[in-house]
Amino acid sequence: SQQGEEDPQALSIQEGENATMNCSYKTSINNLQWYRQNSGRGLVHLILIRSNEREKHSGRLRVTLDTSKKSSSLLITASRAADTASYFCATDASRGAQKLVFGQGTRLTINP
Amino acid sequence: GAVVSQHPSWVICKSGTSVKIECRSLDFQATTMFWYRQFPKQSLMLMATSNEGSKATYEQGVEKDKFLINHASLTLSTLTVTSAHPEDSSFYICSATRQPSTDTQYFGPGTRLTVL
Repeated sequence: SQQGEEDPQALSIQEGENATMNCSYKTSINNLQWYRQNSGRGLVHLILIRSNEREKHSGRLRVTLDTSKKSSSLLITASRAADTASYFCATDASRGAQKLVFGQGTRLTINP
Repeated sequence: GAVVSQHPSWVICKSGTSVKIECRSLDFQATTMFWYRQFPKQSLMLMATSNEGSKATYEQGVEKDKFLINHASLTLSTLTVTSAHPEDSSFYICSATRQPSTDTQYFGPGTRLTVL
């Protein structure tokens, strides 16, 4: 079953603004990952944050993880039209199994 | 890099026929490959996990006789949708992991299957 819930389901902002997406999960995790999917395409790995980490940066991306609240957020700063895509969080289903459970995703639209 | 390819990128077939989808890791040896399906505007659902030379592990509710997975080498896994029906129409995506970091999955571009 899907354990990730993402919020909002859809987000539309102006180019240059920041976009924040949230993800909540239900069980203990080893790590949480964020992926991007352009329409009709495969997924691109963005960032992985481990359960003992609280924040991680990669370029214009900032990810936070709060294991006490079982939630994570993805912030994209200074958004660009090319950032338009669906963003998914994914958690590892169980230790050592490598299986990922994906959230429902947030559809992000950046308006020029 | 860690490039994963899929072939074909899209396929249209008649109901009752079988369709084979290939997933290849182009520049690395994949320790494990995964098959997902994705319905329009929905998330990815894991179908099965496969390791080279061993039988695939299917998720609950996935019919192993309908979705045949063969993982013959460290760079190739195939998914065969047997006796396809319109409800099998979906976007099928594979992914692969590699040593030493097996936490990250590298995804193929997906295959759009339409069953008429």
